Amino acid sequence: GAGVSQTPSNKVTEKGKYVELRCDPISGHTALYWYRQSLGQGPEFLIYFQGTGAADDSGLPNDRFFAVRPEGSVSTLKIQRTERGDSAVYLCASSLFPGTGYGYTFGSGTRLTVV
Amino acid sequence: QQQVKQSPQSLIVQKGGISIINCAYENTAFDYFPWYQQFPGKGPALLIAIRPDVSEKKEGRFTISFNKSAKQFSLHIMDSQPGDSATYFCAASGGSNYKLTFGKGTLLTVNP
Repeated sequence: GAGVSQTPSNKVTEKGKYVELRCDPISGHTALYWYRQSLGQGPEFLIYFQGTGAADDSGLPNDRFFAVRPEGSVSTLKIQRTERGDSAVYLCASSLFPGTGYGYTFGSGTRLTVV
Repeated sequence: QQQVKQSPQSLIVQKGGISIINCAYENTAFDYFPWYQQFPGKGPALLIAIRPDVSEKKEGRFTISFNKSAKQFSLHIMDSQPGDSATYFCAASGGSNYKLTFGKGTLLTVNP
């Protein structure tokens, strides 16, 4: 597609529930990133995929968070047993330049609200 | 540890004025310094970026000034327009490090 597509744009869930957030990167972009943006803050790194594998998941806050990219294109961020502190905008980005900070294109994000 | 410090937190400028946003970094391994513009409900969009081998880069009304010895860089928006009203983030990455470290953002309001 022309840009990075994220669905849903908004998600409200109850504390303790499981959620999945989807990211469709730009076609041909092998590098894919997830970032989390809390209110009034800059985005913070969660995980980096190069192709199908998670090259770096050091930013995932705990083992309730998991992400996959089984075919090297679409990625899903999964959050188990959601907590109110997980409320944030989850941003996905893709890039033609793996292994660098160049050329990120961000999606519009999924605003997750845990009530 | 906040590796990129951004100021001011918010900025109000009159139309036609100059907007200046400053960032300071700590990690000397950083070698790529982009600025992103974010409108409400949208993701950050790359505005302009600089490498430390130059002290200034200009694209249209947007200029980055870079001071390697002081570990500081700034964004200047000339002839600011109401359509420039947005949140601006500085960021940095280093070497083969693909992670972008962002500042906390500056909310710019340009009054007509």
